[in-house]
Amino acid sequence: DGGITQSPKYLFRKEGQNVTLSCEQNLNHDAMYWYRQDPGQGLRLIYYSQIVNDFQKGDIAEGYSVSREKKESFPLTVTSAQKNPTAFYLCASREQEANYGYTFGSGTRLTVV
Amino acid sequence: AQSVTQLGSHVSVSEGALVLLRCNYSSSVPPYLFWYVQYPNQGLQLLLKYTTGATLVKGINGFEAEFKKSETSFHLTKPSAHMSDAAEYFCAVSDPGSARQLTFGSGTQLTVLP
Repeated sequence: DGGITQSPKYLFRKEGQNVTLSCEQNLNHDAMYWYRQDPGQGLRLIYYSQIVNDFQKGDIAEGYSVSREKKESFPLTVTSAQKNPTAFYLCASREQEANYGYTFGSGTRLTVV
Repeated sequence: AQSVTQLGSHVSVSEGALVLLRCNYSSSVPPYLFWYVQYPNQGLQLLLKYTTGATLVKGINGFEAEFKKSETSFHLTKPSAHMSDAAEYFCAVSDPGSARQLTFGSGTQLTVLP
């Protein structure tokens, strides 16, 4: 079955460490997105990519980086510059020419220890 | 810029009662509108969507929503709540002319009381 796989489901980061969250899709979708979810704040867009080798900053990109070397993959790196990284991170994808909603992964919960 | 307001961060209903979750949006162009449901520690699942055409849209699990342009609203309803409906619900808006990012509301946590 097609879908989006996020790994790991739970991730712990020490102060000053960079960590990378994986997002892989086999839906042949062109566009991919990373969102951060905090209680009571809904979902906020971190980065998005509409085609391979191209991506744009969202509303809260500071302290994060991404790459899009393959259509199927859109990893997110949470750098040490992100001062409050503890959150639930969601990856999503969409067909480029369809405004019919996104497909979401099951999320990664990142905790700073 | 688009925005979405969900009135009520927490809503409680009794099992069998009407579910009404409110969503108002702001958009400079006719938007595409969505409702998503999220169970704990899971991703978002699409409940229903409005793009064009009929303003009353039906979704999964017995939910429906009506697009009212004059009220800039897209409220979610279900005639009879079930215990399994307890979850967080997000309204979202997409501007068809933009880079097609979704703007989400802050969510409504639905509790179903026995």
